[in-house]
Parts: sequence; structure tokens; C-alpha cells
Amino acid sequence: QTVVTQEPALSVSPGETVTLTCGLNSGSVSTTYYPNWYQQTPGQAPRTLIYNTDIRSSGVPDRFSGSILGNKAALTITGAQADDESNYYCLLYIDSGIWMFGGGTKLTVL
Amino acid sequence: EVQLSESGGGLVQPGGSLRLSCAASGLTFDSYSMTWVRQAPGKGLEWVSIISGSGGTSYYADSVKGRFTISRDNLRSTLYLQMNGLRAEDTAVYFCAKNPSPRIVGRLGYHDYWGQGTLVTVSS
Repeated sequence: QTVVTQEPALSVSPGETVTLTCGLNSGSVSTTYYPNWYQQTPGQAPRTLIYNTDIRSSGVPDRFSGSILGNKAALTITGAQADDESNYYCLLYIDSGIWMFGGGTKLTVL
Repeated sequence: EVQLSESGGGLVQPGGSLRLSCAASGLTFDSYSMTWVRQAPGKGLEWVSIISGSGGTSYYADSVKGRFTISRDNLRSTLYLQMNGLRAEDTAVYFCAKNPSPRIVGRLGYHDYWGQGTLVTVSS
């Protein structure tokens, strides 16, 4: 049973940097999992931030960046702002036409 | 401007059926694969199903395989999700989302447009 893991909650002070990670219970995440990152505020549709590990979606500020850190995919917010307070989800390509979301990270900016 | 609009949600009894629709506009519909994603109340996102631009290939999450069927009508620019054998755990907001290519491949599994979702409630 494949499980995509994320930190349930993180907090960051305005202007600081925070890194959210996306892992697998069964091994390492690499670029071949084509990690994608989404931002969602309650009651709204998700917004695509990063796709294929490190490509920013159109209109996404450059304070958002994606990478592979060690054995996980990572989303780094450099200089966090108040309106970055949201839920963040990663999506990994598992195999054979199947994708899987992580459980999400609730980011608080305070 | 690309727009996706879901409909067809509602209250249904356990074991019942429902068909969701996602009407697309502002794009050449058959040029893109399409995905259904759901979100149970207060929970995270769950990838449900994907269909290729031609409609000839589709895949499902294990949680819905054998009960749900994804399809599309490219002449009507509409995506569907037929849901049978509904269970309480299928209660969720269902979103449709557009992929960037007609093909289903790993590097093209992300989504560039999303609908606003339709709520399905399975309860007696």
C-alpha cells in the first residue's frame, strides 16, 4: 500500500523561509515521480503551483520553488507572506497511469 | 478563457448511482486529458480517475475501481463520471481538472485548470 507523506502542519513567521516535503512510505521520491504541488484555501479549488519537480505554473510568484531534497520532493517558500497561509498538497505519479496525493500540509503564517 | 463547470452532485442513498458532468469551454476539448479529483469534508485531495483526450484510455484509483466509470463526449466538450454502488465514504466535493496534453504520461499528469466542484453526499 503506497502512501504519500507530508507534514500535517507547519508554521512560519512572515518573511522567513519554510520547506514542505513530500515522501513515500515505500522508498525515495525522485524526478521520475514528477512531483506537483498545489495550494488550496478552504472552499476554493486547488491552484497549481509547481509541476514536474521544479517548474512554476503561470503566474506563481518566484518565492515558491520546488526541488528534490534527499529522498523527498520539497516545496520551499522564501519570504513567506500572510496570504501564503493555506493547505498545500503534493501529487506524485505512482505508476501505470495512477497518481496519488499526499495528505496535505496546513501552513500557518504567524 | 478556459472554464470548467461541474454539475450533477446531490444526495444519494448508499448503493445508489449518480452521474457527474464537467462542461468545458474556451479550449479544444479533445486535445487534453481530463482528471477527476475529490475531497471529503474537512479532508485532503484524492486523485480519482483520468481519461485521455480521445477517451480511449482511462485509469482509476483503487478506491473506486469497478464502481466508477470516467467518460467524455468530445462533441459536447463534456467530461463525465458515472458513480455506481455509492458508499458513505464517497461523500466529497468532486472537482474536474484539465491536464496539459491529450496523452496520459507521468510528466503530463499535472493540472492547469480546475472547476469549482460539485458536492456528492451519500447518506440514508
